[in-house]
Amino acid sequence: GAVVSQHPSRVICKSGTSVKIECRSLDFQATTMFWYRQFPKKSLMLMATSNEGSKATYEQGVEKDKFLINHASLTLSTLTVTSAHPEDSSFYICSARLAGRGNIQYFGAGTRLSVL
Amino acid sequence: SQKIEQNSEALNIQEGKTATLTCNYTNYSPAYLQWYRQDPGRGPVFLLLIRENEKEKRKERLKVTFDTTLKQSLFHITASQPADSATYLCALEQDGGYNKLIFGAGTRLAVHP
Repeated sequence: GAVVSQHPSRVICKSGTSVKIECRSLDFQATTMFWYRQFPKKSLMLMATSNEGSKATYEQGVEKDKFLINHASLTLSTLTVTSAHPEDSSFYICSARLAGRGNIQYFGAGTRLSVL
Repeated sequence: SQKIEQNSEALNIQEGKTATLTCNYTNYSPAYLQWYRQDPGRGPVFLLLIRENEKEKRKERLKVTFDTTLKQSLFHITASQPADSATYLCALEQDGGYNKLIFGAGTRLAVHP
C-alpha cells in the first residue's frame, strides 16, 4: 500500500516551454502532498506544500509564478514549471502523507528535468 | 539555525559487517526522527520512525537509536549485503509542525562483496 506514482520520469524540453509533472497517490487519499527539488549529491529541498482544494504553500525563495502547483483532487497534485530555463534543470520529487501514519511520507520515483 | 548533519563521505564496508550511519541535529526539538533509503535516480523510501521517548527501534536487520541529549540518531544495518548499497537520509519534522520534513544530505553506503 501507499504507492505514489510520478510522471513523467524524465523530460527534456527547450528553454521557454512549460513542463507539467503529475503526482498521484494510487491507493490512498492524500490531502497533503509535497514537492521537492534535489541537486546531485545534495539533500531534498522542499519547494512547496500542496493542499487539496486550496492554494499551495511555498517555501521561502521559491517563485510561485514559476512553479505552479495544483492539487485538484485527493489523489492528484501537479507541478508546472513555467517558461523553463536551463537553471531549472533538476530532479523533482513529490511525496504524499498517509493519514494515520504520522508524518511518514511516501515518495514518487522522481522526474529528471533537462532544459536545453 | 536548524541543521541536520550526516557524514557526507561515503561509507564503504565489507559484506556481512555492520554498517553504522550517524545523524546529528542542532536547534531542533523533534518529537520523532525518520530514516529513508534513496537509490540513484529514485525517490526516497521510508524505513523507520523512532519517537523521542524510544531509545531504540528495530526492523529486521535495521536498528535505529535516538539520543535526544546528544541530539543524535544512529542507524545500523547488521549483516550488510551489497543490495543495501544506497544513500540513507535522516529526516526531522520542522519545528512548529506544519507536517514538513527537513532532510539531511544523506550518507552513501557501499557494501562490497
